[in-house]
Amino acid sequence: ETGVTQSPTHLIKTRGQQVTLRCSSQSGHNTVSWYQQALGQGPQFIFQYYREEENGRGNFPPRFSGLQFPNYSSELNVNALELDDSALYLCASSGSGDTQYFGPGTRLTVL
Amino acid sequence: GESVGLHLPTLSVQEGDNSIINCAYSNSASDYFIWYKQESGKGPQFIIDIRSNMDKRQGQRVTVLLNKTVKHLSLQIAATQPGDSAVYFCAEYSMNTGFQKLVFGTGTRLLVSP
Repeated sequence: ETGVTQSPTHLIKTRGQQVTLRCSSQSGHNTVSWYQQALGQGPQFIFQYYREEENGRGNFPPRFSGLQFPNYSSELNVNALELDDSALYLCASSGSGDTQYFGPGTRLTVL
Repeated sequence: GESVGLHLPTLSVQEGDNSIINCAYSNSASDYFIWYKQESGKGPQFIIDIRSNMDKRQGQRVTVLLNKTVKHLSLQIAATQPGDSAVYFCAEYSMNTGFQKLVFGTGTRLLVSP
């Protein structure tokens, strides 16, 4: 196990709703990255947080936003949910090294 | 543009065989590569990594080879076991404005028959 935890495990929402996903990073890791993985695809980078600030973002619209807290845990918020937002959302943490360690993911279904 | 791709979507092997999973990358500036294993319903699990100043790195039953000339990466699994059945991703670290993001390919499914 990587020590990275995510909650909830599964979530079902309807179009237009808002959702918050949570991630606790591995002890000692100050960087958290979020990825979206559609079925049958590789993970796609959403954004990265380092010491409570967003320091990089992928090709995702502004309705995808996040936070990182002083204990380095993180949240991913998605507003105005669309059907295409249905995916596995992965959180990965890293420390002083380059390796990112992933949590088990949150499966989001948008109806 | 940057992309990481895989040659074979599915690889079927017999238990005990050696498996080779291949990956091509396009960003010649990438200097760090990782192989992940993802089992159904789980997050990607780190297997092994390699930096661009190396050609080969070995782990327990796994070896990663890097050919920078042709921008090719491979993962070799020795004595493949049923527990190795999973989707394998290669990922590339792309430096972008001061942060590092992983660029993944679509994955290769490894099926191991007893």
